[in-house]
Amino acid sequence: GAGVSQTPSNKVTEKGKYVELRCDPISGHTALYWYRQSLGQGPEFLIYFQGTGAADDSGLPNDRFFAVRPEGSVSTLKIQRTERGDSAVYLCASSFSTGGPYEQYFGPGTRLTVT
Amino acid sequence: GQNIDQPTEMTATEGAIVQINCTYQTSGFNGLFWYQQHAGEAPTFLSYNVLDGLEEKGRFSSFLSRSKGYSYLLLKELQMKDSASYLCAVMDSNYQLIWGAGTKLIIKP
Repeated sequence: GAGVSQTPSNKVTEKGKYVELRCDPISGHTALYWYRQSLGQGPEFLIYFQGTGAADDSGLPNDRFFAVRPEGSVSTLKIQRTERGDSAVYLCASSFSTGGPYEQYFGPGTRLTVT
Repeated sequence: GQNIDQPTEMTATEGAIVQINCTYQTSGFNGLFWYQQHAGEAPTFLSYNVLDGLEEKGRFSSFLSRSKGYSYLLLKELQMKDSASYLCAVMDSNYQLIWGAGTKLIIKP
């Protein structure tokens, strides 16, 4: 079956603009995670959803970042008033559920560049 | 605080064996994962250990010692395609993954 997909694959935007990044998880996976990764670093946790609700958003750096998953499937990460420091690869992952050692399956990521 | 340590970079020769170490200090422990990440690609799952000991899966093996907060990934019969970053991640008491920075493995002919 299809894996996790993310769009766009690349996004270049100007400082101060608004961007939306989309994630389509594996069908049937109830848990969805957003990470961001800078060069030479491991993934940095941002937020995760169990179903439609944000179960843990403690990794969101500030209130410019927001994510939704209205129907428990597709998720959108929204960044307002982008800053150059937001430039990174944003990774989405899904797993069968949470509350257990379930493997996370990653999408190819969206490379965000803020100029 | 929570901390995962692994070497930044390692170099090995095609056909040889390499061991990538990972030490951790986390709030709770629900297992340790190893992921492989080729440059510009997403991480892909390699192994999961929750009990002490060695888990073997083809050319790759992973070892865990919970009392020492230590794991290693062993890669045998290295191939050029094994050139990648290897990420160690610990699942904490909330079943969240805490990630290391990754070890970049360079394979030379």
